[in-house]
Amino acid sequence: KAGVTQTPRYLIKTRGQQVTLSCSPISGHRSVSWYQQTPGQGLQFLFEYFSETQRNKGNFPGRFSGRQFSNSRSEMNVSTLELGDSALYLCASSWGQVESPGYTFGSGTRLTVV
Amino acid sequence: DAKTTQPPSMDCAEGRAANLPCNHSTISGNEYVYWYRQIHSQGPQYIIHGLKNNETNEMASLIITEDRKSSTLILPHATLRDTAVYYCILLNQGGKLIFGQGTELSVKP
Repeated sequence: KAGVTQTPRYLIKTRGQQVTLSCSPISGHRSVSWYQQTPGQGLQFLFEYFSETQRNKGNFPGRFSGRQFSNSRSEMNVSTLELGDSALYLCASSWGQVESPGYTFGSGTRLTVV
Repeated sequence: DAKTTQPPSMDCAEGRAANLPCNHSTISGNEYVYWYRQIHSQGPQYIIHGLKNNETNEMASLIITEDRKSSTLILPHATLRDTAVYYCILLNQGGKLIFGQGTELSVKP
């Protein structure tokens, strides 16, 4: 079966711009989570969407936002980009119940802000 | 903050069992223990999870102590391709995966 698909794989943006990243979950999965990974901070949770509603949120500024569509596809948006936003952004999908076998991650989008 | 503690690094000889420990002394009754690994900044890969009982799948075994305050991931016959960062995570219903720093496992020939 198809895995979690993230697009684009690589992105270069300029400070002050905004960016939108896309995540297509595994078919049938209703939960989509987003993570930021940097060498200094490791993997940090951004937010989780379940059935088009934000269910959990991490400690990131309001410049980071997301949404989920009725087909469970999700997008995250970062406005007014800063150099520190350069990172690997990972998306993970799951059925939404903890008893199910875990979250499946995509390969990520590597964002470079210059 | 992550609720688990893992050694920052471990070495293992190829073909031997790799035993990766994890402490989670503040685990709640409804929290599952999950293990993931990440290779070369790829997306983390699910390995195994459990609540109370020991679990085994084609990749690994998970041993959870009776008081659930610690667990051990066992890779029975480590290969060079098992070199990765291994994360032990607690997850509850409707929760979020909170990653710690993980254990960097190096499998050596």
